[in-house]
Amino acid sequence: EVKLVESGGGLVQPGRSLKLSCAASGFNFNDYWMGWVRQAPGKGLEWIGEINKDSSTINYAPSLKDKFTISRDNAQNTLYLQMSKLGSEDTAIYYCARLSPPGLMDVWGQGASVTVSS
Amino acid sequence: DIVLTQSPALAVSLGQRATMSCWASQSVSISRYNLMHWYQQKPGQQPKLLIYRASNLASGIPARFSGSGSGTDFILTINPVQADDIATYYCQQTRESPWTFGGGTKVELK
Repeated sequence: EVKLVESGGGLVQPGRSLKLSCAASGFNFNDYWMGWVRQAPGKGLEWIGEINKDSSTINYAPSLKDKFTISRDNAQNTLYLQMSKLGSEDTAIYYCARLSPPGLMDVWGQGASVTVSS
Repeated sequence: DIVLTQSPALAVSLGQRATMSCWASQSVSISRYNLMHWYQQKPGQQPKLLIYRASNLASGIPARFSGSGSGTDFILTINPVQADDIATYYCQQTRESPWTFGGGTKVELK
């Protein structure tokens, strides 16, 4: 079964950092671009960014590129999202997704909830 | 950025046809490829790919879903609507980065 499982979410204070993980299984992780999308409470979907198979290309939404860093560990079949200087506007569910081809999200994780509050 | 506009809500009757639109601020087509995709999101769940490149059904998606369109105007049709189809539907373009989503159309029962 193709599966993506996010972890690392939770409550974080404003200004702090947080790192999310996305564990992939059921497919050859090395063969796919991967990406992140978030959804604020009651709102629509917002593309965060994506990373290619060997991490040589990483694209970000321009409004988020200074705050988020995407990386991956192919040996561990894991995708990461490092988030810094978090504010209340970053409160959201964060989804990882398999991309096939770049941009097209054919498999989604169940999401990790991040709440930024003091 | 390419802006995608969707109507916020659509009221439908079970067994009837539902049609929703997505308008792009500029063309999302390249040659014969229409780089518009549709996702379904049920309450409390992650989104799921329904239609890719405007008219291609994703794996496991029932044939009552169909998509059409090109350029700037795209349509998602559900025919006939079933109770399980009550959800929010998002369009997304991959013609030009940053990839963008429409605001979503929430399909509700009449």
